Amino acid sequence: GAGVSQTPSNKVTEKGKYVELRCDPISGHTALYWYRQSLGQGPEFLIYFQGTGAADDSGLPNDRFFAVRPEGSVSTLKIQRTERGDSAVYLCASSENGGANIQYFGAGTRLSVL
Amino acid sequence: AQKITQTQPGMFVQEKEAVTLDCTYDTSDQSYGLFWYKQPSSGEMIFLIYQGSYDEQNATEGRYSLNFQKARKSANLVISASQLGDSAMYFCAMTVSNFGNEKLTFGTGTRLTIIP
Repeated sequence: GAGVSQTPSNKVTEKGKYVELRCDPISGHTALYWYRQSLGQGPEFLIYFQGTGAADDSGLPNDRFFAVRPEGSVSTLKIQRTERGDSAVYLCASSENGGANIQYFGAGTRLSVL
Repeated sequence: AQKITQTQPGMFVQEKEAVTLDCTYDTSDQSYGLFWYKQPSSGEMIFLIYQGSYDEQNATEGRYSLNFQKARKSANLVISASQLGDSAMYFCAMTVSNFGNEKLTFGTGTRLTIIP
């Protein structure tokens, strides 16, 4: 079946604007994760969903970041009042629960805040 | 908290040679998982191989094998017979069992370049 899909692939915005990043996980995967990858670094955890609920949002850097997954499938990461430091690649991953719980990633959204 | 250390920022290897990418980890948990991902220039993170902390045998997936040395807390990736398409960033990562929340902690990566 299809892999994890993220849209848009690139997003350029101005400082102070609001952005939404979308993630469509692999069908049937109940767990969904968001990560942020800055240049030259490994991805860093932001938030984890199990079904519709955010089970762990400890990685969100501040209250300008918020994510939802209203029907337990597609998730949207929302960033308010964007800052230049928010520029990064935002990666989404999904997994089935159980076993090795391997996470499969999308190609990411590259966010540039000017 | 968990930590992954990758000490090789970059490596150059001749095509068809084997290559070992180093990874050490730190955790106080007894149950954990170790992963390797490949990230080509396109940006997508591609899962390569997994090793559970209780697995006695080293994991293998085609040309990839994971050299798991639990006492030394190392989980090196070995790629046999390297190919030009293996040129990419490689990330070591780990999870600890936490009521289904298996968030990954990544290292800083190693950039592998295969030379024809």
